[in-house]
Amino acid sequence: DIQMTQSPSSLSASVGDRVTITCRASQSISSYLNWYQQKPGKAPKLLIYAASSLQSGVPSRFSGSGSGTDFTLTISSLQPEDFATYYCQQSYSTANFGGGTKVEIK
Amino acid sequence: QLQLQESGPGLVKPSETLSLTCTVSGGSISSSSYYWGWIRQPPGKGLEWIGSIYYSGSTYYNPSLKSRVTISVDTSKNQFSLKLSSVTAADTAVYYCARRNCPTIRTIRLCRAPWDYWGQGTLVTVSS
Repeated sequence: DIQMTQSPSSLSASVGDRVTITCRASQSISSYLNWYQQKPGKAPKLLIYAASSLQSGVPSRFSGSGSGTDFTLTISSLQPEDFATYYCQQSYSTANFGGGTKVEIK
Repeated sequence: QLQLQESGPGLVKPSETLSLTCTVSGGSISSSSYYWGWIRQPPGKGLEWIGSIYYSGSTYYNPSLKSRVTISVDTSKNQFSLKLSSVTAADTAVYYCARRNCPTIRTIRLCRAPWDYWGQGTLVTVSS
């Protein structure tokens, strides 16, 4: 079973900051890595798929990179609506999610 | 616009079977490109994939839940359903239904697309 580890589990940042979240797989998953944003009381929303492809309608300040076991989600300039919890998910085998990263206001 | 809507009891007693239905509107559950699934989230915790189904009835379950999970599809009603048996308080969660789009894949285990459409989720509490 492939385990997904996200870091940090939470972070505090200000509007305009560059934010980076890391996701590590316990074995190689090629580029089968997706990122989701979840706000309280809402379903997750797909942001990035296949490690670096931006989902339609998602602002370009979101970007993803990586392959193999190490991946990153970057928000180039944090906006007020970006304060949320972010999850990575591998789709190489089954569909495991990482533990989440909560982005809070500093 | 595709929409998914979960429905079912919000309260289930311990040791009983949890049953939920996902109704798909704005698209056909029988499309050969789409795979459907259930994902849950305990209060304040992360996301856990439960299992997936194809319109043909092929299923793929999370190994950690496989012995208790049954997912089925009713193409005439454009619905798919989840049954989770022998529930305990640990099964208390928001349950989401969702879709994956794999236009060239016909084997459920080989669909590696992300979950691109989600229902709003329904909270199921396991308590006596």
